[in-house]
This record gives sequence, structure tokens and C-alpha cells, in this order.
Amino acid sequence: DQQVKQNSPSLSVQEGRISILNCDYTNSMFDYFLWYKKYPAEGPTFLISISSIKDKNEDGRFTVFLNKSAKHLSLHIVPSQPGDSAVYFCAASATGTASKLTFGTGTRLQVTL
Amino acid sequence: DVKVTQSSRYLVKRTGEKVFLECVQDMDHENMFWYRQDPGLGLRLIYFSYDVKMKEKGDIPEGYSVSREKKERFSLILESASTNQTSMYLCASSARDLEAFFGQGTRLTVV
Repeated sequence: DQQVKQNSPSLSVQEGRISILNCDYTNSMFDYFLWYKKYPAEGPTFLISISSIKDKNEDGRFTVFLNKSAKHLSLHIVPSQPGDSAVYFCAASATGTASKLTFGTGTRLQVTL
Repeated sequence: DVKVTQSSRYLVKRTGEKVFLECVQDMDHENMFWYRQDPGLGLRLIYFSYDVKMKEKGDIPEGYSVSREKKERFSLILESASTNQTSMYLCASSARDLEAFFGQGTRLTVV
């Protein structure tokens, strides 16, 4: 039973445009959400997080939006750069913290020139 | 910089062997985790530890055990390796409530 779902396995975006990665969750107990980025042959690296008390968090080119009523979050990357090409994992926690995460299946983003 | 080091990048083992995957972190983090990553399934939590000698089962603990005798080291043990344990194994550590830092992963193949 996949509690965190990333329904798009892959996404291709032109350099300079906006990339939007989506994530849905089913567990209403989740109250903290994170995005991780993973390059081939490397471990995931933390990108950005959001608590359920917020609906938006921004860090440079990366913004995460949370819609609790829809149980949906999204990651926006503006502008997209070739170095953003990676697999992006959405993760959720029911502890109010970044501990004990449930991960989604990942979305492979390719940013083309 | 936080460093989480996994002892092997690639490992090939035979069915039935006992396999040890080692992970060391250098940031005095309380929490340590073992995940496996499989295509189409994302990362799934096997075990985690929030203190020395303390451990809790994650979502898929069957066929695995762990050991944390020292704060900086967290070992994953496959008691009797099977082909369905062929996977990418990722170790992570975190300070109490903060985001986890991952190692580079160990790709284990069981033949």
C-alpha cells in the first residue's frame, strides 16, 4: 500500500522553464514533508521541506506547495537548469519532524538544452 | 560537511550467505536508518535506530537484523541472503528531528 505516490515516473523540461513535480499522500497523519534529489550512483540529498502548518516554503529556485485538503504537494523549480536532472523523491513523516520517513517512488526529471 | 560512509559500493554474495553491510557517520547523529531502493518502489525503511543499542523495525524488516553498538556505526545484517534481497541499500543518519543525510549506497547482488 503506497502511502506516498508520485504518479509521474518521468518529466522532461526545457532549460529555463518551470519544472513541477507532484506528490500525493493518503495518510492523514503525515505532518511533515520533504523533497530529496538523487543523482545516479549517489545517495539522496535533502532539498527542501515543509511542515503541515504552512502551505508554502521557498528556498532559492525551489518552492514546495502543500495542499492539505487535497493531500497533495508539489515542488516547483524555476528556472530549471541541466544540473537539476536527477530523480526526485517526495517523503512524508507522521512525527512532525524529518525522522522516520515514508518515501514516494520518485520522478526522473530531465532538463534539456 | 556531514559524512555517511557505507563500507562497500558493490557487493556480490551467494544465496544463503550471511551478509554484513556497514555504515559509519561522523556527525554524532542520534538517528540512523537503513533503506532499500528498488525500481518502482522508491525507498523503503528496513530498520532505524534512535540511540546506541536501540532499534525499531521499519516497513520491511523481514529477513534483516541490525546492530548499533556504537553511536557512529549502524550495521545491517542479512541472516541468509536470498535473491529477492538484491537491491540498492542506503544508510542515513540524522540529528534528532532534522533531515537525514544519506550514504552513497551499496548495490548488493545475491546470486
